[in-house]
Amino acid sequence: GAVVSQHPSWVICKSGTSVKIECRSLDFQATTMFWYRQFPKQSLMLMATSNEGSKATYEQGVEKDKFLINHASLTLSTLTVTSAHPEDSSFYICSAHGGGADTQYFGPGTRLTVL
Amino acid sequence: EDQVTQSPEALRLQEGESSSLNCSYTVSGLRGLFWYRQDPGKGPEFLFTLYSAGEEKEKERLKATLTKKESFLHITAPKPEDSATYLCAVRISGGYQKVTFGIGTKLQVIP
Repeated sequence: GAVVSQHPSWVICKSGTSVKIECRSLDFQATTMFWYRQFPKQSLMLMATSNEGSKATYEQGVEKDKFLINHASLTLSTLTVTSAHPEDSSFYICSAHGGGADTQYFGPGTRLTVL
Repeated sequence: EDQVTQSPEALRLQEGESSSLNCSYTVSGLRGLFWYRQDPGKGPEFLFTLYSAGEEKEKERLKATLTKKESFLHITAPKPEDSATYLCAVRISGGYQKVTFGIGTKLQVIP
């Protein structure tokens, strides 16, 4: 149980394009989903918290117009990186909280490379 | 400011050589301390949650303990497949489900 999937697992795009990443909780309903980014040899940095049906809460320094988050249902959240630039290249990981468990369950991550 | 510090940053063990990883925290109102394992290029895998000083959790060769200032992840007779980065995270009061991660300890177990 408590499986979280992400799609795609990796993506390469040109500078200026937008990229959408999906995060799904497969066997439980996620009341809250989180989006993190992780640079090499660094820990996970929280970008935003999203609850189903409401606007995401962004961490300080994260541009909400650049990183669009939609949490349309209790099993799906999407992160869209708009007008991506090389500095947005990173490992993006989502997590989901819910299903009666008091922890976050993480997806496998999405490697974004912006050329 | 809430802080989570993990040590050492890297640890190299021979197979069967037991050791401990440390996670020290400075937070106001701890509402849970979490241990995760992360393999390269993958998302973290949940291991344990600890809530109060004196609490211990075990899973196979891993045992997590908690005091009022730190947590230890004890690894007994490690095997090469235990090689990974071990992350510690804390959740504070008023932070809802939000957690703050340490930088992790990269463990390498050599056969």
